[in-house]
Amino acid sequence: GAVVSQHPSWVICKSGTSVKIECRSLDFQATTMFWYRQFPKQSLMLMATSNEGSKATYEQGVEKDKFLINHASLTLSTLTVTSAHPEDSSFYICSARALKTGNVYGYTFGSGTRLTVV
Amino acid sequence: GDSVTQMEGPVTLSEEAFLTINCTYTATGYPSLFWYVQYPGEGLQLLLKATKADDKGSNKGFEATYRKETTSFHLEKGSVQVSDSAVYFCALVGNQGGKLIFGQGTELSVKP
Repeated sequence: GAVVSQHPSWVICKSGTSVKIECRSLDFQATTMFWYRQFPKQSLMLMATSNEGSKATYEQGVEKDKFLINHASLTLSTLTVTSAHPEDSSFYICSARALKTGNVYGYTFGSGTRLTVV
Repeated sequence: GDSVTQMEGPVTLSEEAFLTINCTYTATGYPSLFWYVQYPGEGLQLLLKATKADDKGSNKGFEATYRKETTSFHLEKGSVQVSDSAVYFCALVGNQGGKLIFGQGTELSVKP
């Protein structure tokens, strides 16, 4: 079945540094990638939607200059948290969407990245 | 806009008990409905889905029926196991650009 590989699974960084999270669709082409943020014991908050080769669309309240999203190919999307601060510590999850048979979309999630900023 | 509301957790059950997790939605048109499961420290896995009214999604003993008249998609399982302990998310895809919209999640804890 469809697999999405997300790396790293966890990362600790110092305040002020930048962190890049990668999300790859291994056996299918993902025309659209979604990036979510999840706080402990809470639901997934959609941060942005990215389509291959175009700029990402950010949800209201998400700082586009802080959370840089690149979707350069149909199998790779990256999220860069720039100048990270402790309040950016969270669990980040990507999701890739592909068109399945019967004109139904399928969504496959990465395993998530636990970011801790110290 | 579209939204999903789930029953609050945590839900604690004994092994082999019957499970119901309520989910209702608000959406225009005919959304597709999903249940996802998240184990600790992991991403989300699709549990089941239904794409039109009266469809029943089922997987691993879990079932949910798309009820348009009550705008609901309740998750049920006849006999839960300890290994079912996880957080369950109800979600929909409507007309908002193909975005998955999640409910707040319901934590299930099954005791032996």
